[in-house]
Order: sequence, then structure tokens, then C-alpha cells
Amino acid sequence: DIQMTQSPSSLSASVGDRVTITCRASQGISNYLAWYQQKPGKVPKLLIFAASTLQSGVPSRFSGSGSGTDFTLTISSLQPEDVATYYCQKYNTAPWTFGQGTKVEMK
Amino acid sequence: ELQLVESGGGLVQPGGSLRLSCAASGFTFSNYAVSWVRQAPGKGVEWVSTIGGGGISTYYADSVKGRFTISRDNSKNTLYLQMNSLTAEDTAVYYCAKCPRGYNWYFDYWGQGTLVTVSS
Repeated sequence: DIQMTQSPSSLSASVGDRVTITCRASQGISNYLAWYQQKPGKVPKLLIFAASTLQSGVPSRFSGSGSGTDFTLTISSLQPEDVATYYCQKYNTAPWTFGQGTKVEMK
Repeated sequence: ELQLVESGGGLVQPGGSLRLSCAASGFTFSNYAVSWVRQAPGKGVEWVSTIGGGGISTYYADSVKGRFTISRDNSKNTLYLQMNSLTAEDTAVYYCAKCPRGYNWYFDYWGQGTLVTVSS
């Protein structure tokens, strides 16, 4: 099975900082990658699908890129409401595996 | 408004069984694949199982294969998860999640979840 590895596992940044989270697949998955945001105590929410397509209603400060094995989620200007754990998920073939998560905290 | 409402969670002894339900509304249920995704306390998210819109195609994570059965009743707009031979490792919040149209196996809407606790 394809493994999904996120880095870093956690990070601390200031308001307005540019934040980048990386997700690496152990084999190529084309662009079959989604990103989710889970705020503390809340349900995961879809941010991005097809590696770079923003889900409706998601702020434009979020962006995704990559193809094959290496992907990134970027928050262009971190806001207090972005404190959350972020997960990538591959969906080219079963099993639809999630990364282990990246916790984003405010400095 | 699209809604997914899970029920059926609770405390069960190791080796026991439980059936979860997810009532869907606000969309044409039979047109979409739906899934179960779980999250153990303080842990990450884990995909469990998916069923196609017609109920024919089913997919399972290795961790639950042979113990869990996913099914749906499109006449009742309801998704089910029958869980047998439960162990402590199955303790988690179980979310019902909808997939978008086509062969897109990601999750665009999630329910609020139902907690399953496996303990003696």
C-alpha cells in the first residue's frame, strides 16, 4: 500500500506568516490528493482536492500544489482561525490513506 | 441543506458487535458513494470503508476487513456499518462522509460523528 508522510508533524508560526506543509507519497499518485483542516474539537473539513483545486468557500490564502509523489499545502498569511491540524489524503486507489497530520499552532 | 447524522455508538465489550447508522438528507443519496472514517482519541484520521452509490462496490481498510460490513438502504437514505469482533483498537469517533460525484474518493461533507468505546 502507498504510505503518506507529512512534514513537519507540528509547527508554530505568527500571524501573517507564510506556512508550508509537505505531504509525500511512497509511490506516484498523479494529482489524486486532498487536504483537510480539523480545528480543535471539530469535524475535518475539505480544503483542497485534485492537489490544487480549492473547495468552494475556502479562503484564497490556502493553496495546494504538486503532482506525483510530492505535494504542498500553503497558507499565504496565517490567521488565528487557521490553528488546526491539517491532513493530506490520497485517493487514486484503495486504500484511501491519510497522512499522520500536521498541527499548526500560533506563536 | 446537506446533512449526515450518525447514530448507534456506545460502550461495547471486547469481542462484541455494534451497528452504526448514518441518516443522509439534502442530496440525492443514491447518486453518491459514502464512507466511514474514524479517529481514535488524540490520534489522526483513518479511512475505514466506502460503498458505491448503488451499493454494489465496497472497499475496506485492512484493519477492519472481515470484521466490518458496510451497507446502505437508498430507500431510507441511510448508511450502515456493522462492526463485529470489536477490540480496544476500534475505539474511535466514527464519521460518516460523502464522496463527490464520479470516481473521486475524497470526502466533501462529514457528519458530526458517533463515539464507539470498546472496553470491559
